[in-house]
Amino acid sequence: DAGVTQSPTHLIKTRGQQVTLRCSPKSGHDTVSWYQQALGQGPQFIFQYYEEEERQRGNFPDRFSGHQFPNYSSELNVNALLLGDSALYLCASSLQRGGRTDTQYFGPGTRLTVL
Amino acid sequence: LAKTTQPVSMDSYEGQEVNITCSHNNIATNDYITWYQQFPSQGPRFIIQGYKTKVTNEVASLFIPADRKSSTLSLPRVSLSDTAVYYCLVGPSTDSWGKLQFGAGTQVVVTP
Repeated sequence: DAGVTQSPTHLIKTRGQQVTLRCSPKSGHDTVSWYQQALGQGPQFIFQYYEEEERQRGNFPDRFSGHQFPNYSSELNVNALLLGDSALYLCASSLQRGGRTDTQYFGPGTRLTVL
Repeated sequence: LAKTTQPVSMDSYEGQEVNITCSHNNIATNDYITWYQQFPSQGPRFIIQGYKTKVTNEVASLFIPADRKSSTLSLPRVSLSDTAVYYCLVGPSTDSWGKLQFGAGTQVVVTP
């Protein structure tokens, strides 16, 4: 049973470019959350998708957008990249059960470097 | 979301038991307590989750007192591979749509 997978593993972009990161949730999960983790800090919540809709959003600008597909996989898009967007981007999947989000399981992350 | 407070770092020797205590004074009735382990440049790995009293799995034990304002993660007989950052989180509540609020975590260093 595959866990959460993310692609690509590493990515190098230049300022102003756009990037798309991808996530496949753990089998049986229907909810995907995205987090940004800067070096030396804990992960910061970006947003969560359930039933192909953004359900909650953290304190991130509109340059960060996402999408969830019918197969529950998800994409994170970041436009107009800034140097400060360099970070490890983490995807976590979970199951909505009884009106709440069950335990979240994280993927290995995508390391984004903006030059 | 309830804020958590945990030690910045802890040192231990191989074979010892490591106990990390986390304070969460404002924990809500519906909140669970969850611990994750993270190695450098990897995603956090779920360790254990509990609501009250004691929970034990093959990796760790979680002790939660009756008032639930704190919890203690116990790692028995640690090895060098247990060197990692450990995060304590509370939530998600039914109205939070799964937003996990990570703090800085506790850096555990295990030496021979």
